[in-house]
Amino acid sequence: AQSVAQPEDQVNVAEGNPLTVKCTYSVSGNPYLFWYVQYPNRGLQFLLKYITGDNLVKGSYGFEAEFNKSQTSFHLKKPSALVGDSALYFCAVRVTTGGFKTIFGAGTRLFVKA
Amino acid sequence: SAVISQKPSRDICQRGTSLTIQCQVDSQVTMMFWYRQQPGQSLTLIATANQGSEATYESGFVIDKFPISRPNLTFSTLTVSNMSPEDSSIYLCSVGEPTVNEKLFFGSGTQLSVL
Repeated sequence: AQSVAQPEDQVNVAEGNPLTVKCTYSVSGNPYLFWYVQYPNRGLQFLLKYITGDNLVKGSYGFEAEFNKSQTSFHLKKPSALVGDSALYFCAVRVTTGGFKTIFGAGTRLFVKA
Repeated sequence: SAVISQKPSRDICQRGTSLTIQCQVDSQVTMMFWYRQQPGQSLTLIATANQGSEATYESGFVIDKFPISRPNLTFSTLTVSNMSPEDSSIYLCSVGEPTVNEKLFFGSGTQLSVL
């Protein structure tokens, strides 16, 4: 079965420090990977995606993600965290068998402390 | 991009009743999806709403409980039937294109509480 795993329920980081939110995937064939963010009382928003090409993908709000095929990982990163980055982050994989579906990880809550 | 209007934004319902959630998109989209999200938790795909045909349901979800309509390329409804407290959740409408590199757009969700 195709899936994504987010091993951390919560990540705490101080403002100004780098942050990493982890994601690993299990897919058959080429992985199509996404990160979405859900701010409090708001809908999900797209952050970035990896389809093919460079392993380092840049996205919105200064976030980037590194695709690592050998480790089957797609970790979300930001060099300097902001308090406003506090939100719920979801890693997701696009599945093409049985239609075009998107499967989401369990989510990681990021707390950035001032 | 797509702007999605979902309503109601929240509702409190009695056990045994049904609620219909509407999803309106400001442009024609090929694929519409309905997800369920427990507060602060992950999203679970309920079904893919297909225009002009029956929805495709995921394992654990059935048409009798979650009937879906998709009369055109900009509108869909999800009905939560014969509700129980276990149906209390956030229901999200999402749209996207049938290509692997396209992101999803989400409505703001319907927060449902069943008493």
